[in-house]
Amino acid sequence: KNQVEQSPQSLIILEGKNCTLQCNYTVSPFSNLRWYKQDTGRGPVSLTIMTFSENTKSNGRYTATLDADTKQSSLHITASQLSDSASYICVVSDRGSTLGRLYFGRGTQLTVWP
Amino acid sequence: EADIYQTPRYLVIGTGKKITLECSQTMGHDKMYWYQQDPGMELHLIHYSYGVNSTEKGDLSSESTVSRIRTEHFPLTLESARPSHTSQYLCASSGPAASEINSNQPQHFGDGTRLSIL
Repeated sequence: KNQVEQSPQSLIILEGKNCTLQCNYTVSPFSNLRWYKQDTGRGPVSLTIMTFSENTKSNGRYTATLDADTKQSSLHITASQLSDSASYICVVSDRGSTLGRLYFGRGTQLTVWP
Repeated sequence: EADIYQTPRYLVIGTGKKITLECSQTMGHDKMYWYQQDPGMELHLIHYSYGVNSTEKGDLSSESTVSRIRTEHFPLTLESARPSHTSQYLCASSGPAASEINSNQPQHFGDGTRLSIL
């Protein structure tokens, strides 16, 4: 069964600290992996997209890594800010057919305290 | 920022009413999607469209219907709302690519409609 599991479910850190969010998936065949940020009451916003051949991608203070062999990804946030408080969603796309589909994780709820 | 708009943002309405949730995008994207999201849960795809006059049901069974008469507009309709329809509905679009519904183009999401059926 194709699944995307994220950990931790929730995380509280102090402003200025770093943190790492995890995503494990069983989706096969694999096309790409995306990280989205969803602020409360808003729609998700794309942070990074990585294909099979990419093992790291950065977007400002956000750095995503991908290990396609172990089917794991992480999102590292550097020097956290209050505005980083949000849900971070891992999404994996397959190539099962010409109509590939997306598999969503339940997200990690990050809270940054001053 | 993505130019995709959903209205209304919030809707509280009684059982049995007909509801239409609006979604419009100004990016000229071929592909549009409707998702349902409950608190703490993953997004579930309920409808998608490759382009004008193309609509398909998603993974999650839904009593809603959609139409795609214009590229920029993808409304979702509930003919008779029930309390079980209470949820957040998110609309998204993505840029043109090959025939695949999910290319390496990111999906751009609207801010959602939070629907409550009494």
